[in-house]
Amino acid sequence: AQSVTQLDSQVPVFEEAPVELRCNYSSSVSVYLFWYVQYPNQGLQLLLKYLSGSTLVKGINGFEAEFNKSQTSFHLRKPSVHISDTAEYFCAVSDPGSGYALNFGKGTSLLVTP
Amino acid sequence: KAGVTQTPRYLIKTRGQQVTLSCSPISGHRSVSWYQQTPGQGLQFLFEYFSETQRNKGNFPGRFSGRQFSNSRSEMNVSTLELGDSALYLCASSFSGAGGPTGELFFGEGSRLTVL
Repeated sequence: AQSVTQLDSQVPVFEEAPVELRCNYSSSVSVYLFWYVQYPNQGLQLLLKYLSGSTLVKGINGFEAEFNKSQTSFHLRKPSVHISDTAEYFCAVSDPGSGYALNFGKGTSLLVTP
Repeated sequence: KAGVTQTPRYLIKTRGQQVTLSCSPISGHRSVSWYQQTPGQGLQFLFEYFSETQRNKGNFPGRFSGRQFSNSRSEMNVSTLELGDSALYLCASSFSGAGGPTGELFFGEGSRLTVL
């Protein structure tokens, strides 16, 4: 089964600074990759996804991620964060060959301070 | 367009009891997936239903079960509750399936279960 490792459990950053949240997945076969965000007391919302094609994927709220097959990574980036970006971020992988169930990483808590 | 609705939002049970959680997907979505979220284990896949059939199942004991009705609404049931079942249970719907061609799951706000 596919698995995902989010390398940082917490990332503190100042407002307007750039941020990168790291994600590595464990597969050498084709997979689908996702980033979801969870705000306090809410469900998860899709930020962006990689299914195929261009390795640079742009999502909502100014986020983007780059798929790197050789390094099996899918890091999430934003050039300038806002206070409102404070949330839990989850990387997920889906294996088209095993029913498309999403396997999530443990999450990275992004804390943006003034 | 209404989102995914989960009921109840909060509930407290005692060990040994059973619980039923309900999920109404977005209109037109035929796939419903369930996830358990805990601080220690994170998000874990329970099962997925598509057109009333369980299409995929995670690694949970048989105490966890689910079903889907003809209107795509889904319920999950946990019997003989244990303390470790305390968690946020999230339901997600999609048109064609979890992570499938559209690649997007729409999540509800969850049902927070506390087992005492």
